[in-house]
Amino acid sequence: SQQGEEDPQALSIQEGENATMNCSYKTSINNLQWYRQNSGRGLVHLILIRSNEREKHSGRLRVTLDTSKKSSSLLITASRAADTASYFCLGTASKLTFGTGTRLQVTL
Amino acid sequence: GAVVSQHPSRVICKSGTSVKIECRSLDFQATTMFWYRQFPKKSLMLMATSNEGSKATYEQGVEKDKFLINHASLTLSTLTVTSAHPEDSSFYICSAIQGNRNTIYFGEGSWLTVV
Repeated sequence: SQQGEEDPQALSIQEGENATMNCSYKTSINNLQWYRQNSGRGLVHLILIRSNEREKHSGRLRVTLDTSKKSSSLLITASRAADTASYFCLGTASKLTFGTGTRLQVTL
Repeated sequence: GAVVSQHPSRVICKSGTSVKIECRSLDFQATTMFWYRQFPKKSLMLMATSNEGSKATYEQGVEKDKFLINHASLTLSTLTVTSAHPEDSSFYICSAIQGNRNTIYFGEGSWLTVV
C-alpha cells in the first residue's frame, strides 16, 4: 500500500505567519489531495493537484507537487486561529492510505 | 458541492451487541466507498474498501466477520460492528469517490463507545 507521510508532525505558529507542511509518498499516484481535520471531526477536502501539475493555488493555500521526489507541500499564508487543525495528504491510486498528519496550532 | 453523510454521529452500545453505521453520498453516486478507523491523535487507518454490488475488500488485520460491510446501492454503504467490545470504541469515518473527478469526500465520522 502507498502511504503519505507528513512532516512536521506538529507545527505551532502565530497568527499571520505562514505554515508549510510537507508530504512524501512511496508509489506513483494519479493525483494528490490535501485534507484538514478538526479535532474529532470528519475530513474536509482542501485542494487537489494532479500528477501533471507542479503548483496550484486556492485562496490562501498553495500546493506544490514534485513527482520525481514523490513529495508535496502545502503552504497556508497569513494563518488564522481558525486554521488550527490536523492536515493530511492523500495520494490517489489503487489504494488510499493516510500519513500521520501535521497538527497545526495557530495562536493569537 | 458533494456531501457524504454519516449516521449516527455518536453511539453508545453494550458489549456483545451489534451496531450499524451508515454512510451516504447525498448528491452523487459512489461505486466505491472507504471505511477508516481513527484513534485519538492518530492517522486514519483504512479498514476496507466497499464496492457496490460486490464484497468489500478488507485490509490486512481487519476481521471481516466482525466488521461487516454492505454496499447495497450506489449511495449507501453500511458498517456493522458485531459483538462489540470496549476495544472497538473508536472514531469511524467513511469516504466516497465522486465519479471520474477522482475527488474523495469524507463523512463527519461516527464516535462509537462500547461499554
